[in-house]
Amino acid sequence: AQSVTQLGSHVSVSEGALVLLRCNYSSSVPPYLFWYVQYPNQGLQLLLKYTSAATLVKGINGFEAEFKKSETSFHLTKPSAHMSDAAEYFCAVSEGGGSYIPTFGRGTSLIVHP
Amino acid sequence: ETGVTQSPTHLIKTRGQQVTLRCSSQSGHNTVSWYQQALGQGPQFIFQYYREEENGRGNFPPRFSGLQFPNYSSELNVNALELDDSALYLCASSPQGGGEGVEQYFGPGTRLTVT
Repeated sequence: AQSVTQLGSHVSVSEGALVLLRCNYSSSVPPYLFWYVQYPNQGLQLLLKYTSAATLVKGINGFEAEFKKSETSFHLTKPSAHMSDAAEYFCAVSEGGGSYIPTFGRGTSLIVHP
Repeated sequence: ETGVTQSPTHLIKTRGQQVTLRCSSQSGHNTVSWYQQALGQGPQFIFQYYREEENGRGNFPPRFSGLQFPNYSSELNVNALELDDSALYLCASSPQGGGEGVEQYFGPGTRLTVT
């Protein structure tokens, strides 16, 4: 069975500082991994996804994530936070072999201070 | 290209009532998935429709049902509403049967409040 753990329900950074949002997954088969962002009163928007190609995945808005099989992690980073990055971030995992049914983490709220 | 749209945006219902939520998929997408997002939680998968057939279901009771139409739009119906059904309901569409690793495109959601 697949599962996702996002460490830290809230992460607070200063504008210009490094952003690091943590995601660990559990999967019995090689997974597909996703990061989504949700702004207030909006749906989810895909930031990036890992589908067994390069382990370092670059996404939109300067975000990237690295797949580390040995650590079962897929942490999201951005070198320099911007005020507009303040939002809720969700990590999701999907196992192959059937219909696409992703499991989402509980989310991490990113707070950016001026 | 029109994105995923959902209606209504907000809805207030009384416990025991029935509700229908609607979703129009993105152009060219034949797969629609529905999610329930309770306050402070991640989205929980309800079910998925592919070419008008249910193609997977999460851990939700039968009072949650759905339909997909020939134009690939979809409805989510919830009978006998309970207070815990209060949540944001998200619809997501995807192409190619929504297969492995395929990106889903989410609508803005319908906020349902059950009193």
